[in-house]
Amino acid sequence: DTGVSQNPRHKITKRGQNVTFRCDPISEHNRLYWYRQTLGQGPEFLTYFQNEAQLEKSRLLSDRFSAERPKGSFSTLEIQRTEQGDSAMYLCASSLPSGSQEQYFGPGTRLTVT
Amino acid sequence: GENVEQHPSTLSVQEGDSAVIKCTYSDSASNYFPWYKQELGKRPQLIIDIRSNVGEKKDQRIAVTLNKTAKHFSLHITETQPEDSAVYFCAASTPPDSARQLTFGSGTQLTVLP
Repeated sequence: DTGVSQNPRHKITKRGQNVTFRCDPISEHNRLYWYRQTLGQGPEFLTYFQNEAQLEKSRLLSDRFSAERPKGSFSTLEIQRTEQGDSAMYLCASSLPSGSQEQYFGPGTRLTVT
Repeated sequence: GENVEQHPSTLSVQEGDSAVIKCTYSDSASNYFPWYKQELGKRPQLIIDIRSNVGEKKDQRIAVTLNKTAKHFSLHITETQPEDSAVYFCAASTPPDSARQLTFGSGTQLTVLP
C-alpha cells in the first residue's frame, strides 16, 4: 500500500496520560498536514509541515499538542496530559509541493480518552 | 479566516435521482475547492475539485459548479446509486501557497434509497 499510513489506528487512554501518533506520508510528498475530526463534523486543520519545517499551527493546537517531522518524512503528533475533549479522529494528509493541491488522507487514529 | 457552510446536513434520494449539495465560503481569496467522500469508518477521499479560474467541471456522474461572485459552489451527482451513500464534505483553500490548508464544511450525509 503506497498511500498515507497512520499508527495506531485506535488508542484508548486515561485522562492525564500522554499519547503519540505517527503518520507516514506518500514518499514523494513533502507537504504533511494534521487534522482533527469529531463526530458529525468536517476535519479541522491543526498544523502543516513542508519538509521538516512546521510552517503553520492552528489556534486549536494548544500547548499540550506538539508535532514533529524530524527528517522530512514521517511525522508524530503528541498530546500531553490528555483530556476527554481530546477524543477525536486524528487525520494526517500529504500533498505534492506544487501543481496539484490534492491532499491524500490517511485512515486516521481514533483517540478515546476515558 | 475562512469559513465554509454546507447544506443540507442530510439528504435522501431515490436511486437514479440527482443529488445536489451546496456550500458557501467567506474569503474571496480562496481559489481551490475540493469535494471529499467519506464512508463510515474510512478516510476522506477526493472525488472532484475545482479551481477559481473554472466555472464548472464534470467527471462522469459528478459535477461541480463555482460562482465566485456569490461565493457559492455545488456538487451535483446524477443517476445516484446505493454506493454513493456516504458523507460528503466540501472544502476551500486560501493562498498563500506555503500553507494550502483546507477549511471543511460540516458535511452532508447522503442516503440513496434502493
